[in-house]
Amino acid sequence: DTAVSQTPKYLVTQMGNDKSIKCEQNLGHDTMYWYKQDSKKFLKIMFSYNNKELIINETVPNRFSPKSPDKAHLNLHINSLELGDSAVYFCASSQVPSGGSSNQPQHFGDGTRLSIL
Amino acid sequence: AQSVTQLGSHVSVSEGALVLLRCNYSSSVPPYLFWYVQYPNQGLQLLLKYTTGATLVKGINGFEAEFKKSETSFHLTKPSAHMSDAAEYFCAVRGAQKLVFGQGTRLTINP
Repeated sequence: DTAVSQTPKYLVTQMGNDKSIKCEQNLGHDTMYWYKQDSKKFLKIMFSYNNKELIINETVPNRFSPKSPDKAHLNLHINSLELGDSAVYFCASSQVPSGGSSNQPQHFGDGTRLSIL
Repeated sequence: AQSVTQLGSHVSVSEGALVLLRCNYSSSVPPYLFWYVQYPNQGLQLLLKYTTGATLVKGINGFEAEFKKSETSFHLTKPSAHMSDAAEYFCAVRGAQKLVFGQGTRLTINP
């Protein structure tokens, strides 16, 4: 049973296209996240949702639009893809928002490897 | 603001040798600290976490970490490295509604 699952695992597309990545968690968690990992393995948080409400929106181009239809799903839509968008995108979830008074860890999916031609 | 610094982007040890991965943190509140491991082509997996209580924390796969407040450190160790330990390791500290990750340390195991 996969706890946090992302689709697709690989995504190869051309510059200028629009694409979506889907994420689902079956852990019953309230909070979900999107991260971008670059070629040097640096992890950058992009967005976080708690109970379908956006709580973190880091400095991300507005070509990236997250959408949470329910607590178990957080999708990422990217418009007008650019070369610099090539990276691995990770979805994660936690019982409550990480940080603050919470000691809850985050659970990660296996990533979506996005390559822009 | 909270931050972590992982000393050494790449660590190489021989199979059977001690593994030591260094992490120093900065936090204006009592820190909650985490170590994650990322195997090739996989997501991050929790190794261990420190919140309160015992300063020596045991994790999975024989890893452990010691919280030292006086040194603001949370170094990860394993007495004897296995080939299967080759991976990227991330230290993280709680921030405001998120975890703040270090830049990662790649661990290579030499046969």
